[in-house]
Amino acid sequence: EVQLVESGGGLVKPGGSLRLSCAASGFTFGSYGMNWVRQTPGKGLEWVSSISGTSTYIYYADSVKGRFTISRDNAANSLYLHMSSLRAEDTAVYYCARTAAYCNSNRCRLFDYWGQGTLVTVSS
Amino acid sequence: DIVMTQSPDSLAVSLGERATVNCKSSQSVLYSSNNKNHLAWYQQKPRQPPKLLIYWASTRAPGVPDRFSGSGSGTDFTLTISSLQAEDVAVYYCQNYYDSPSTFGPGTKVDIK
Repeated sequence: EVQLVESGGGLVKPGGSLRLSCAASGFTFGSYGMNWVRQTPGKGLEWVSSISGTSTYIYYADSVKGRFTISRDNAANSLYLHMSSLRAEDTAVYYCARTAAYCNSNRCRLFDYWGQGTLVTVSS
Repeated sequence: DIVMTQSPDSLAVSLGERATVNCKSSQSVLYSSNNKNHLAWYQQKPRQPPKLLIYWASTRAPGVPDRFSGSGSGTDFTLTISSLQAEDVAVYYCQNYYDSPSTFGPGTKVDIK
């Protein structure tokens, strides 16, 4: 059974940093692209960042480029998101999501499994 | 960026009746290299993450009941629940996974009348 479990969320002040983790199990982690997607009541679902199976291809939404860094450790079956220079508008539930195998492109953003999410609140 | 819009914002349907959700993209999501529409539908129940229902506009994901179907091409798409069940109460989102960035619609809430 595919499982994705996020951790690392919490309350952080504007300008601060936070690192999210996603522990994966139930599939060959290194064979899949992985993603972070966030959700807020106001802006809905927003794709944040993607990384290919071997970390060769990495993409970011313009809203987080230069502030967030995605990475992965295939030996540890883990995905990470390092967030810095955090703003109030980064407040959201952050989901880890697997890229579906139905796509044959590193630019495919189709997500077949999602974690339960971790809440990040940016507030003074 | 491709803008995804959905209609209606919400709808209430009697159990066993048909529910229809519409999605429109500001640009075509039909990719000429594979002649496929890069349009997906997700279902999100309260306090749960989204769940993939439909991809390539009309292909059901594994395990999705056949009362769920997707149709459309180019810029106009429809998700149909042929016979609404109580467990289908949820918010439904369409997503363009063709463009970068990928974008989602605002969601349509489906409830029981």
